[in-house]
Amino acid sequence: GAGVSQSPRYKVAKRGQDVALRCDPISGHVSLFWYQQALGQGPEFLTYFQNEAQLDKSGLPSDRFFAERPEGSVSTLKIQRTQQEDSAVYLCASSLRRDPNEKLFFGSGTQLSVL
Amino acid sequence: AQSVSQHNHHVILSEAASLELGCNYSYGGTVNLFWYVQYPGQHLQLLLKYFSGDPLVKGIKGFEAEFIKSKFSFNLRKPSVQWSDTAEYFCAVNSKYNFNKFYFGSGTKLNVKP
Repeated sequence: GAGVSQSPRYKVAKRGQDVALRCDPISGHVSLFWYQQALGQGPEFLTYFQNEAQLDKSGLPSDRFFAERPEGSVSTLKIQRTQQEDSAVYLCASSLRRDPNEKLFFGSGTQLSVL
Repeated sequence: AQSVSQHNHHVILSEAASLELGCNYSYGGTVNLFWYVQYPGQHLQLLLKYFSGDPLVKGIKGFEAEFIKSKFSFNLRKPSVQWSDTAEYFCAVNSKYNFNKFYFGSGTKLNVKP
């Protein structure tokens, strides 16, 4: 596709529910990032993939958060037993090469609301 | 840990006014610096970046930013804003040695009145 695609665009979950957020990066992009953006804040790093390898997951806030990119393209961010504090916009970004100082291309995000 | 501060949370200007948005970062090592912009209803996109060399960098749409190492600052400027510059602006930094992690500021919302 022309850009990074994320789905769903909006997700409302009841507290305790599991959710799965999908990211389709630009075709051929090696690097993929997930960020969490709380209301009124800037994006905060969650995790980074290089192809299918998850090289950095230091930003995942708890073991309820899990991300995968099994074939080195589409990625899924899963949140188990959602809590109200998980409410945020989840952004996915990709870049062409292994060097992330190349431009990051962001998706429009998934806005998660946990009730 | 690295952190990025953007002290202006909301700026309102009239068209043709000059713009300067502040960005300060805290990190003891060598960094790369970025400004990203999010126009209403759109995704984040790169405005400009600094890796090394001339501390004054020019980006798209007439924006520029100056890296002042002694002040740990990377302020964004534009001599004359337009209504179409209405957007949210984010400063970001990463380390040259752990460049997978970008640290973003909390953003500055710019509202340009026509």
